[in-house]
Amino acid sequence: DADVTQTPRNRITKTGKRIMLECSQTKGHDRMYWYRQDPGLGLRLIYYSFDVKDINKGEISDGYSVSRQAQAKFSLSLESAIPNQTALYFCATSDLGQEREIQYFGPGTRLLVL
Amino acid sequence: AQSVTQPDIHITVSEGASLELRCNYSYGATPYLFWYVQSPGQGLQLLLKYFSGDTLVQGIKGFEAEFKRSQSSFNLRKPSVHWSDAAEYFCAVKGAQKLVFGQGTRLTINP
Repeated sequence: DADVTQTPRNRITKTGKRIMLECSQTKGHDRMYWYRQDPGLGLRLIYYSFDVKDINKGEISDGYSVSRQAQAKFSLSLESAIPNQTALYFCATSDLGQEREIQYFGPGTRLLVL
Repeated sequence: AQSVTQPDIHITVSEGASLELRCNYSYGATPYLFWYVQSPGQGLQLLLKYFSGDTLVQGIKGFEAEFKRSQSSFNLRKPSVHWSDAAEYFCAVKGAQKLVFGQGTRLTINP
């Protein structure tokens, strides 16, 4: 869905490096999320934000940090990357009201940590 | 806390055959339930959702799902699959604050 974009789409980095994954959305949604996908584990929530001043940890936040720079931008940082952070990372957004329950996903960032 | 189980990791069906993907959930209250599809190299796309009302819900691409409270299930069905349906399918349940996903079922279509 072009309304939610992620950069980069692919990234190779080395252990110990700091990297940032970026997410932008044009849907006008207040809520944004970061997930990681690992084979056989589905998607797991890393962090989520209900507005610019609201940041919450998900189930696997250790080793990650986030920044909500604006309503439309939500970045995920790996302060010191390690190989078990190799995964596919997805950003998602959702709106308010009943439709708040529907999350819209970006195309994903494939990260390889060597 | 809510949880979702998709018992089948990988399913192979022939093109034109019917399909059923299983999903079982655990949640104390009335759940909001979803099926998403992930095509190769793509993000997740919403197929259908259940919030309330009619327990048989229709989605995009000819998919439907039936909510069965007594069985805590929300199985996805399609009467006749197409080669383009090859993808990974995720069931998800929405709890108080967050969406919880199952492990996914990879669907392969034989010509």
